[in-house]
Amino acid sequence: NAGVTQTPKFRILKIGQSMTLQCAQDMNHNYMYWYRQDPGMGLKLIYYSVGAGITDKGEVPNGYNVSRSTTEDFPLRLELAAPSQTSVYFCASSYGLGNEQFFGPGTRLTVL
Amino acid sequence: QKEVEQDPGPLSVPEGAIVSLNCTYSNSAFQYFMWYRQYSRKGPELLMYTYSSGNKEDGRFTAQVDKSSKYISLFIRDSQPSDSATYLCAFALTGANSKLTFGKGITLSVRP
Repeated sequence: NAGVTQTPKFRILKIGQSMTLQCAQDMNHNYMYWYRQDPGMGLKLIYYSVGAGITDKGEVPNGYNVSRSTTEDFPLRLELAAPSQTSVYFCASSYGLGNEQFFGPGTRLTVL
Repeated sequence: QKEVEQDPGPLSVPEGAIVSLNCTYSNSAFQYFMWYRQYSRKGPELLMYTYSSGNKEDGRFTAQVDKSSKYISLFIRDSQPSDSATYLCAFALTGANSKLTFGKGITLSVRP
């Protein structure tokens, strides 16, 4: 099993550009999450999904969108990138809410 | 009062030292208590998971939960350079909408 995979590993965007961060898991987990991690700030939940077709906002959803058309994939869309979105983005999945979350390796995004 | 507070660090100790990492929380409804370890430029991985007050031991690691005082601790015995990482405490409620709440993390460096 590959676990949770994320692409790309690194990306530099210009202000106003858009992009999609890809996330996939092969553990048949229903629950998937997107976090951002800024230095010294811990993990902040952006969006999460409890199953295909169902998504909900987390703590810091502004500027992001998600979709969940399959159990395996949970892409994160950034529209009109801003410098404040410079961060490391982690995707995670779990069997259930409150259970152990398995994290991907992260995507390092810089917006200039 | 913040929901979760974690010693900010960083923390540097010599090899073989006993390390104590602590988090306090204000939400008495938290039922699940976790420690995640995150190596540099990697995603977090679950280290310890406990449900109740008391101690849980796993090799050189001991997780302690004191619900009455609302704090959790992670003890590392005979610390090794390979323990150098960022440690994040995490909490979860029970129920259908239970998501993880993370501390900001503390970076530990174990000197050979």
